[in-house]
Amino acid sequence: GAVVSQHPSRVICKSGTSVKIECRSLDFQATTMFWYRQFPKKSLMLMATSNEGSKATYEQGVEKDKFLINHASLTLSTLTVTSAHPEDSSFYICSARDQGLSTEAFFGQGTRLTVV
Amino acid sequence: SQKIEQNSEALNIQEGKTATLTCNYTNYSPAYLQWYRQDPGRGPVFLLLIRENEKEKRKERLKVTFDTTLKQSLFHITASQPADSATYLCALAYTGGFKTIFGAGTRLFVKA
Repeated sequence: GAVVSQHPSRVICKSGTSVKIECRSLDFQATTMFWYRQFPKKSLMLMATSNEGSKATYEQGVEKDKFLINHASLTLSTLTVTSAHPEDSSFYICSARDQGLSTEAFFGQGTRLTVV
Repeated sequence: SQKIEQNSEALNIQEGKTATLTCNYTNYSPAYLQWYRQDPGRGPVFLLLIRENEKEKRKERLKVTFDTTLKQSLFHITASQPADSATYLCALAYTGGFKTIFGAGTRLFVKA
């Protein structure tokens, strides 16, 4: 199946700093990518839908100024957690949909963010 | 808002038996329903998709059913193996952007 690469897999940062997470579709073009957040033993919570060349669509309750999303190309979307706080510590996962297919989404391996 | 319910309790079964996981949803039916596998610390991996006009779908040892009247999907793993131990997520997807909403998942343990 298609491959989605997410980087970094783990990151530890200090409170108040910003962290950027990259999501790349390696062998297909993705006009749409999705960003999720997952707490331990909980469901994936959709944060935002990232559209190539346009502004991301954020889910209710997600601060767009806190979680900056950029989807500058058909193979790359980035999520920047700005002014991180310990409560932002979580597992962040991206997924991408092959624009040639209309069904399954392919997920990255996730990023474990720890804010100290 | 749409809710997806999966059995939060872990499912323990013996190797070789059939594991059956349940996914129930409220409100409107999705365009299609998907099942994913997630291992600890990893992203989900797609397993099967079933559309709203389909009743059953099979792939090797996996079988999914979809009852839009009951608003329920069942996920079966036949001849289960210890390697099948993981968390299985039910996800609903809707047209117009294909936004996907996930259930919390059911943890499956297959004992040798």
